[in-house]
Amino acid sequence: NAGVTQTPKFQVLKTGQSMTLQCAQDMNHNSMYWYRQDPGMGLRLIYYSASEGTTDKGEVPNGYNVSRLNKREFSLRLESAAPSQTSVYFCASSEPRGILAGELFFGEGSRLTVL
Amino acid sequence: EDKVVQSPLSLVVHEGDTVTLNCSYEVTNFRSLLWYKQEKKAPTFLFMLTSSGIEKKSGRLSSILDKKELFSILNITATQTGDSAVYLCAVEGTGNQFYFGTGTSLTVIP
Repeated sequence: NAGVTQTPKFQVLKTGQSMTLQCAQDMNHNSMYWYRQDPGMGLRLIYYSASEGTTDKGEVPNGYNVSRLNKREFSLRLESAAPSQTSVYFCASSEPRGILAGELFFGEGSRLTVL
Repeated sequence: EDKVVQSPLSLVVHEGDTVTLNCSYEVTNFRSLLWYKQEKKAPTFLFMLTSSGIEKKSGRLSSILDKKELFSILNITATQTGDSAVYLCAVEGTGNQFYFGTGTSLTVIP
């Protein structure tokens, strides 16, 4: 049972390059999320998708785009990477229970360095 | 502005000690509070709390929520070296969004 799978696990980019982080979950969850984790800042929400076909901005969306390709997959794209986007990125999914989002299940993270 | 504050930022204890980690919050339209343990990689789920005063317990870990005073505590009794990790508190607010604290780093010395 893979849970939430992210690729790549590590990536080094030069300023201005683009890349896409891929995320897939096999738990049939409706909601998916992208977070970034920086020292001293905690996890911050970039974008989330409450269900297939919908996406919404979180706390720090600037410089990112997302695609909810289908129920399983939620990708995060950096169109023109900047050093400020150096971070560890986590994808997560959850299955809402009534009005609650439900517990978040996390992928193992993708460490991105922008030079 | 929605915020979650955890204290202390870090803690070093000896095996067998009991620790209490704190999480206070100001989040619009509170729905739930979650605790996670993060070792090297992905955070792993510990507890979800939605009601005040009801203790959740799993082995040596327990947690309780006070919705009037807007805080939660996570207790770990008889600590072991395997408890060394960063403990994260997350609060669910409007639109199923979660707000995370910066975490408490716990180190348990043999």
